Amino acid sequence: QKEVEQNSGPLSVPEGAIASLNCTYSDRGSQSFFWYRQYSGKSPELIMSIYSNGDKEDGRFTAQLNKASQYVSLLIRDSQPSDSATYLCAVNIRAGGFKTIFGAGTRLFVKA
Amino acid sequence: GAVVSQHPSWVICKSGTSVKIECRSLDFQATTMFWYRQFPKQSLMLMATSNEGSKATYEQGVEKDKFLINHASLTLSTLTVTSAHPEDSSFYICSADRVPYEQYFGPGTRLTVT
Repeated sequence: QKEVEQNSGPLSVPEGAIASLNCTYSDRGSQSFFWYRQYSGKSPELIMSIYSNGDKEDGRFTAQLNKASQYVSLLIRDSQPSDSATYLCAVNIRAGGFKTIFGAGTRLFVKA
Repeated sequence: GAVVSQHPSWVICKSGTSVKIECRSLDFQATTMFWYRQFPKQSLMLMATSNEGSKATYEQGVEKDKFLINHASLTLSTLTVTSAHPEDSSFYICSADRVPYEQYFGPGTRLTVT
C-alpha cells in the first residue's frame, strides 16, 4: 500500500459544480495534512492545511479530515476553469521522525 | 503567505558542466529545506532534505556526490548538479518549512542539459 494515495484522474466537472478530491494515507499516527495545487509547468502552491478531524473552510475550498478512516478530502465549490490543475495531497508520515509524503496528485478539469 | 524564491528560473548547460541553483526563503527563516525533481507529467520526487548547518539527507537512489546540497544559512540552500548529463534535464523545485511540515515551494528551475 502506498503511503499516500490519490486517484490520478482526470476528474472532469462542469463549471459551477462541486469538485471532490480524495486522498487516503497509511500511517494512523499522521498529524498534519495539506492540499497543494499545481498548474502545468509550475511549482505546487499550498492551498489548505488541516490538523483536526472535521471540516475546515477557506473561501470556496473545504478540507475534510477523518483520522479514523484515514482519509482527507478537498471540496471545491463553484468550480471555475481556473481551478483546472493537479491537486496534491500531502501527509506527514512517521519515517524515523516525521516526513511529508506527497501523493501523485489528481488532475482536475473544469469545463466551461 | 510565505515566499520562497529560486534562481535561476531556467538554465541551459552543456553536458559535463556543473550548475548551481539557489533557493531562498524571503520572509521567514527555514531550518529545513527540501529539493525535489519532477519530470514531465510525473509526480514530485524528493531528492534530499537540507538542514541548516548540517549535511543533507538524501533519498535512496539519489547520488549525493552528483547533487551537492549546501544549507549555509536559515534563508539559503543551494543545489549543485555536478557533471550534468542530458538525463539530468528536469524541473528542480525547492521548498522550505515555515512551520513544521508546512512546505512552501519556490517557483522551480527548469534545467536543460545539451
